[in-house]
Amino acid sequence: AQSVTQLDSHVSVSEGTPVLLRCNYSSSYSPSLFWYVQHPNKGLQLLLKYTSAATLVKGINGFEAEFKKSETSFHLTKPSAHMSDAAEYFCVVSVDSGNTGKLIFGQGTTLQVKP
Amino acid sequence: DVKVTQSSRYLVKRTGEKVFLECVQDMDHENMFWYRQDPGLGLRLIYFSYDVKMKEKGDIPEGYSVSREKKERFSLILESASTNQTSMYLCASSSYQGGISTDTQYFGPGTRLTVL
Repeated sequence: AQSVTQLDSHVSVSEGTPVLLRCNYSSSYSPSLFWYVQHPNKGLQLLLKYTSAATLVKGINGFEAEFKKSETSFHLTKPSAHMSDAAEYFCVVSVDSGNTGKLIFGQGTTLQVKP
Repeated sequence: DVKVTQSSRYLVKRTGEKVFLECVQDMDHENMFWYRQDPGLGLRLIYFSYDVKMKEKGDIPEGYSVSREKKERFSLILESASTNQTSMYLCASSSYQGGISTDTQYFGPGTRLTVL
């Protein structure tokens, strides 16, 4: 069965410093992996998606994530945090290889950016 | 751009009331989903639908039902609202092409439901 674990419920960084949001997954096949972001009082927005084409995936707003099969990880990074990055971030894994389109969401990580 | 809209941003209902949450997407997507979002639990799937009049239970269907009479519209129904259904409800859609569901989902802004 597929599952995803976000290792930190809350991360706090200073503006201009790097961001690291950690995610581990479990899957019995080669999954699709996503990061979504939710700003306060907004819907979820897709940040980036991994589908086995390249292990380093670049997303919007300077974020990127690296798929590491040996570590079953898909951590999200950004070199320099901006105040507008403060939001909740969800790591997501696909349930199957395309039959249902269903996704499983991690518990979420709240990113706080301090001035 | 894909647009998913939900009928209300905020809703307050009383225990025992029947509640309808509406979702409309404008991209002709086959798949539609209803989630509830609670702090520390992420998003949990309530119901989903592959096509008009088709529905499947998700992980937490108890106390909910759904209706999909038109391709663009997917309704979530709380038959008798209870206080433990106070939550944020999110609707999403995705496409199904060539026998494969594309797994990128597009989300509406959410409805924050409070049951008193």
